Amino acid sequence: NAGVTQTPKFQVLKTGQSMTLQCAQDMNHEYMSWYRQDPGMGLRLIHYSVGAGITDQGEVPNGYNVSRSTTEDFPLRLLSAAPSQTSVYFCASSPPREVWTQYFGPGTRLLVL
Amino acid sequence: QQQVKQSPQSLIVQKGGISIINCAYENTAFDYFPWYQQFPGKGPALLIAIRPDVSEKKEGRFTISFNKSAKQFSLHIMDSQPGDSATYFCAARVSGSARQLTFGSGTQLTVLP
Repeated sequence: NAGVTQTPKFQVLKTGQSMTLQCAQDMNHEYMSWYRQDPGMGLRLIHYSVGAGITDQGEVPNGYNVSRSTTEDFPLRLLSAAPSQTSVYFCASSPPREVWTQYFGPGTRLLVL
Repeated sequence: QQQVKQSPQSLIVQKGGISIINCAYENTAFDYFPWYQQFPGKGPALLIAIRPDVSEKKEGRFTISFNKSAKQFSLHIMDSQPGDSATYFCAARVSGSARQLTFGSGTQLTVLP
């Protein structure tokens, strides 16, 4: 049972480039989320999904797209990277009746030059 | 707009001492208050959680105190150990919402040996 996995662990992008951050979970959790973590700002919700085919925006969705074609996978796409998107990105999953119990992945550290 | 305000930003405690981290909120629709612990280079992990109909919850050396009328809750770490050195986040969930969690800004705890 691997839990929540994220790839890559670290990525450097140039401004304007696009990329996809991968997230997968093997716990059959319906709920999945993407957060970004910045110093002094805690974890801010980008997008979330309550099941395959259903996604919604969080607190800071601009510049990011998501899709959920399977229960296991929830990729995050950066459409045109900007320096303001330099951050650590965490994917999380949770059982639907325990939303407060988030299982986080190890994170992806992104640097946009 | 930060809906959950956390303090202090950093905290240094001697081994064996008590660590206290405080959080305050305004949204009365919050109905669950978890605390997460994050070690460097790792994703956050659920530590302990409380519902607003309970004034205190204890798990080992970790205790959450909840003051509904003041809209405040706090984490107490008794007999703090160097292994407790980590970043701690309080969080809150809106009742009935699938929108995941709103996190505080985090407290970096250092326990000196």
